[in-house]
Amino acid sequence: AQTVTQSQPEMSVQEAETVTLSCTYDTSENNYYLFWYKQPPSRQMILVIRQEAYKQQNATENRFSVNFQKAAKSFSLKISDSQLGDTAMYFCAFIYSGGGADGLTFGKGTHLIIQP
Amino acid sequence: GAVVSQHPSRVICKSGTSVKIECRSLDFQATTMFWYRQFPKQSLMLMATSNEGSKATYEQGVEKDKFLINHASLTLSTLTVTSAHPEDSSFYICSAPGTGGRVGRETQYFGPGTRLLVL
Repeated sequence: AQTVTQSQPEMSVQEAETVTLSCTYDTSENNYYLFWYKQPPSRQMILVIRQEAYKQQNATENRFSVNFQKAAKSFSLKISDSQLGDTAMYFCAFIYSGGGADGLTFGKGTHLIIQP
Repeated sequence: GAVVSQHPSRVICKSGTSVKIECRSLDFQATTMFWYRQFPKQSLMLMATSNEGSKATYEQGVEKDKFLINHASLTLSTLTVTSAHPEDSSFYICSAPGTGGRVGRETQYFGPGTRLLVL
């Protein structure tokens, strides 16, 4: 079974700073997807970014980018020019490439606080 | 696109009663949906996979007789917590996989969640 580890329970940075959230995972599979989801106080899960394991190029979405190191099984999220609205829980998640037949495995989450 | 709704958003019930939570895919069909549970300040844990037209599959440790899942149509899955007790109080979230294309079926779209409090 796969596991996802987020070693930073909480992080706090000043607005406009860059912050990196770490995530490592363990799997014996070769084909899978990795995600970062954001959960604000409303508790609605919001997709931030996704990465296909077969792609070497790191995914980017506006201010959000990942550093995907497949051999090291590492998948960190970088948030540039952080904004107050980025304050939320961030969950790293893993899924096999099963065509939607499997649920996600989540890390324990990192509570990110953006200070004004 | 890819909107998932849940109803109710919040429910309070007495111990021993049953509670039904609905999960709907509003603008797409979902032959598979997933149910997660999230305790306060914890992560989401997959409880079960809901399959349209067949039985749900449950994760290890989840009581299938307590958490009844019915995938009645291509847009509706229900979770019934039977004989609820205070320890069942939690935040229940459903999700459905994307429909392919650029998004891919591995991407999950989440409902807004249901907060259950059992007194």
